[in-house]
Amino acid sequence: NAGVTQTPKFQVLKTGQSMTLQCAQDMNHEYMSWYRQDPGMGLRLIHYSVGAGITDQGEVPNGYNVSRSTTEDFPLRLLSAAPSQTSVYFCASSYSRRTSGRINEQFFGPGTRLTVL
Amino acid sequence: EDKVVQSPLSLVVHEGDTVTLNCSYEVTNFRSLLWYKQEKKAPTFLFMLTSSGIEKKSGRLSSILDKKELFSILNITATQTGDSAVYLCAVGNTNAGKSTFGDGTTLTVKP
Repeated sequence: NAGVTQTPKFQVLKTGQSMTLQCAQDMNHEYMSWYRQDPGMGLRLIHYSVGAGITDQGEVPNGYNVSRSTTEDFPLRLLSAAPSQTSVYFCASSYSRRTSGRINEQFFGPGTRLTVL
Repeated sequence: EDKVVQSPLSLVVHEGDTVTLNCSYEVTNFRSLLWYKQEKKAPTFLFMLTSSGIEKKSGRLSSILDKKELFSILNITATQTGDSAVYLCAVGNTNAGKSTFGDGTTLTVKP
């Protein structure tokens, strides 16, 4: 299994440009999430999904869109890039245990380092 | 709003020392608390705790959860330079499939 893959690894954008960060997992996990990590800080949740066709906002959703048309893929779109979106972006997935509602361990992709000039 | 606070923010020790990292939380509908290790790349999973008082052990690492006082600790004994990393605490809440992370503790182990 490849686990969680993310592309690209690095990206430089100009202010106002748009782009899509790709995320895919081959573990048949229902839950997928996007986080951003700024220097010296933890992970802040941008958007998450509990299954295909279902997405919801996290702590810092402004400026980002997501969709989940398949179980495997969870792309993150930056609508109009701003310097404040310079960060490292991690995609993560986890399986669910619906009977307990427990949040299980998340598997993280390698990250995308985004710089917005 | 859910909140996870880790302390200390950073810690420098020498090889062989024992360290204790703290994580306190305020989360609605607590389900589980997870510890991750991050070494300049993606976080990797260490422990998950769901029941109070449960101590998880894996070699030199151990963790305890106190659901009454809403905190967890991560202990590392006989530290090695390879333990140098950021240690992240995350709390899962509700059935929504999302976690809230703390800002992490940066541990530096000097030879």
